[in-house]
Amino acid sequence: ETGVTQTPRHLVMGMTNKKSLKCEQHLGHNAMYWYKQSAKKPLELMFVYNFKEQTENNSVPSRFSPECPNSSHLFLHLHTLQPEDSALYLCASSQDANSPLHFGNGTRLTVT
Amino acid sequence: GENVEQHPSTLSVQEGDSAVIKCTYSDSASNYFPWYKQELGKGPQLIIDIRSNVGEKKDQRIAVTLNKTAKHFSLHITETQPEDSAVYFCAAGRTGTYKYIFGTGTRLKVLA
Repeated sequence: ETGVTQTPRHLVMGMTNKKSLKCEQHLGHNAMYWYKQSAKKPLELMFVYNFKEQTENNSVPSRFSPECPNSSHLFLHLHTLQPEDSALYLCASSQDANSPLHFGNGTRLTVT
Repeated sequence: GENVEQHPSTLSVQEGDSAVIKCTYSDSASNYFPWYKQELGKGPQLIIDIRSNVGEKKDQRIAVTLNKTAKHFSLHITETQPEDSAVYFCAAGRTGTYKYIFGTGTRLKVLA
């Protein structure tokens, strides 16, 4: 079992829907991340939280809204998405800055 | 802006042969270089990493080399096996930051 669990694995949503992605880490790490993975593009960092405080917001559109209630849980709230937002969304955790990332298996999001 | 170039984008080798993937980074302050393996339907998994105070690191059939002067680092896989088939990503990070710059990935196919 991976130390980082993401749900759901797959999600199809219309452009007017509201949905949330969930991530939980069981590694005792201090930092949690959201990445977007699109075909033939580098992994794109979206948000970073360290000890529940947001430390990075990589110019992400406001239709993506993160929430980190504690250092083990991370959510990504989705609202009024566009078809180009279809991608694999990966959650990761790390002990601290500049240390190895541990990824979940991702949520495959399709926006119709 | 900062970037990491990764080559080749695809690589096919015969089982038992060696595979080499190369990355070049632009940020001279980068001092941490992890490599990730991503299998189909899974998130990236760390396979080896190196910090800038070391020129080479080896773990069984996998090795990474770093040339700080040229800002190059490479992944070497010897005695390749079919289970090595996956997408491999390099990344560069630096002290005090949570942001890693990823390469665009190399799809490795090991032919039996």
